[in-house]
Amino acid sequence: DTAVSQTPKYLVTQMGNDKSIKCEQNLGHDTMYWYKQDSKKFLKIMFSYNNKELIINETVPNRFSPKSPDKAHLNLHINSLELGDSAVYFCASSRGTSNQPQHFGDGTRLSIL
Amino acid sequence: EDQVTQSPEALRLQEGESSSLNCSYTVSGLRGLFWYRQDPGKGPEFLFTLYSAGEEKEKERLKATLTKKESFLHITAPKPEDSATYLCAVPPDTGRRALTFGSGTRLQVQP
Repeated sequence: DTAVSQTPKYLVTQMGNDKSIKCEQNLGHDTMYWYKQDSKKFLKIMFSYNNKELIINETVPNRFSPKSPDKAHLNLHINSLELGDSAVYFCASSRGTSNQPQHFGDGTRLSIL
Repeated sequence: EDQVTQSPEALRLQEGESSSLNCSYTVSGLRGLFWYRQDPGKGPEFLFTLYSAGEEKEKERLKATLTKKESFLHITAPKPEDSATYLCAVPPDTGRRALTFGSGTRLQVQP
């Protein structure tokens, strides 16, 4: 059983388009995250939700908008895609918000043409 | 601000050649440390949690240790399937922050 699943796995689109990435976890966790991994493989937090409440909102362009319909789902919508948005986006979840390990999905590889 | 530094950046070993990866950190107070393994095209896979200095955890050929300033991931007699990027991360001091990750060590084990 997949614990944290993201769709789609690959996303190739043109500059200026709007796209969404979906994430679901079946671990019963109450906190979910979006990370961006750049070409140097560095993981950078973007957003986090705890029980559907936004608790972490790092400095990212407001073209990125997360949405959590329930504790098990966290989606990421990106408007007006730019070349610099090309990266791998990872969803993760954890029990609680601080010193518990996070469990990651396999990423969505976004390529902007 | 928490900082995490991993070394070396890349490591190439022969099968059976034991070695250690280093993760040093600067935090306001030790709150634990996580080790992850990341394979190409996959998300980070959780390996260990270490919460206090002196603690050790083992899994197959891997052993993680923790001091007040750094953690080591010891790999004993590695096999080619141990090839991956190993990441360490420290948890935040508040739920309003996220894990701080190191940039990882890319390990390649040659048969």
